[in-house]
Amino acid sequence: KAGVTQTPRYLIKTRGQQVTLSCSPISGHRSVSWYQQTPGQGLQFLFEYFSETQRNKGNFPGRFSGRQFSNSRSEMNVSTLELGDSALYLCASSGGTNSYNEQFFGPGTRLTVL
Amino acid sequence: SQQGEEDPQALSIQEGENATMNCSYKTSINNLQWYRQNSGRGLVHLILIRSNEREKHSGRLRVTLDTSKKSSSLLITASRAADTASYFCATPKSGGSYIPTFGRGTSLIVHP
Repeated sequence: KAGVTQTPRYLIKTRGQQVTLSCSPISGHRSVSWYQQTPGQGLQFLFEYFSETQRNKGNFPGRFSGRQFSNSRSEMNVSTLELGDSALYLCASSGGTNSYNEQFFGPGTRLTVL
Repeated sequence: SQQGEEDPQALSIQEGENATMNCSYKTSINNLQWYRQNSGRGLVHLILIRSNEREKHSGRLRVTLDTSKKSSSLLITASRAADTASYFCATPKSGGSYIPTFGRGTSLIVHP
């Protein structure tokens, strides 16, 4: 099976702009989670989508949003970018059907906000 | 807030030595997972241990879980330079959620 793919791999934006990141999960996986990783805060959970519905949400402001399509592909959007949004954004997919959720991670999108 | 925290934050050893990393967590869990992350890349799942298991092996990896102490350890035996990476423990969010939350990780450097 192909792994989780994320596009783009690298992105440079300026403050105030908005950005959309894309994630394609492993075939058959219905759960997609997004994480933000920074040196200061570590890995922070953003949200999880399952069957096109947001099922769990972390503690991030409303500027961070996401969606999932019928083919389980997911996008996350960050509006009005701030310098502190510079991070590695990781997407992970899982079967999502039981409580033992092994997450399969993509390579991440490195976002730099100038 | 972080559910699990790894210790030490950084570990530097020579090839062939064993590496031990610890994870402590705050609330009751039904499973704990360990992941590896090579520099700037995605995480790779290493092993999952359930709350009713005390020890689990996978190749050169040995994971223990002590639910009474709310702690887990990851042992990498006969380490190799390729084991250089950050290692994270992940536990379900508190409140019964199954979403894994990650500690800040242990940065392991194995010198050839």
